[in-house]
Amino acid sequence: EPEVTQTPSHQVTQMGQEVILRCVPISNHLYFYWYRQILGQKVEFLVSFYNNEISEKSEIFDDQFSVERPDGSNFTLKIRSTKLEDSAMYFCASSVRSHEQFFGPGTRLTVL
Amino acid sequence: SQQGEEDPQALSIQEGENATMNCSYKTSINNLQWYRQNSGRGLVHLILIRSNEREKHSGRLRVTLDTSKKSSSLLITASRAADTASYFCATATNNAGNMLTFGGGTRLMVKP
Repeated sequence: EPEVTQTPSHQVTQMGQEVILRCVPISNHLYFYWYRQILGQKVEFLVSFYNNEISEKSEIFDDQFSVERPDGSNFTLKIRSTKLEDSAMYFCASSVRSHEQFFGPGTRLTVL
Repeated sequence: SQQGEEDPQALSIQEGENATMNCSYKTSINNLQWYRQNSGRGLVHLILIRSNEREKHSGRLRVTLDTSKKSSSLLITASRAADTASYFCATATNNAGNMLTFGGGTRLMVKP
């Protein structure tokens, strides 16, 4: 069964450093998303992406964040200058239009 | 309460019993989805119910939706120890970005 994959599973970085989180969505899906979950808190929407552009973003997704689909398979989330409060589990998801969103296993980001 | 709030926050039952979790939301929705999350792991999609549907079944899962009360319930019948996880409802509104808004989840423990 096709699934969303994410790499790395765990990323440790120093405050102020740039990180890139990678995702490979399900191949025939057209919508891509990033969510995050701070430990013990709700899953929060960051951004959705369709047709090579951002279709919606939350207040969390400020100028420090960017997304890219550099090729036909990868979907990346970049955080330019990480802060301590960026420590969270980051989930990528993909879907066919407004259907079920399928989530990857997540990348745990730890900012020291 | 916020969009997509579950109750109870925690539920402990014996194997074989049924588990019912409820979700309330505030705004009009396009669909409502239920997800399961095992501790520290990714989100597994369980079932999607559209705003024009009232009930849906999938195996041991039964989901109801009452748009007049802005509420949904997830029933797991004949629970198993492997059902132990957190269960989240997530709502999708009629927005171009297909953003999901998650609730805080119900932590279900099924004792063998």
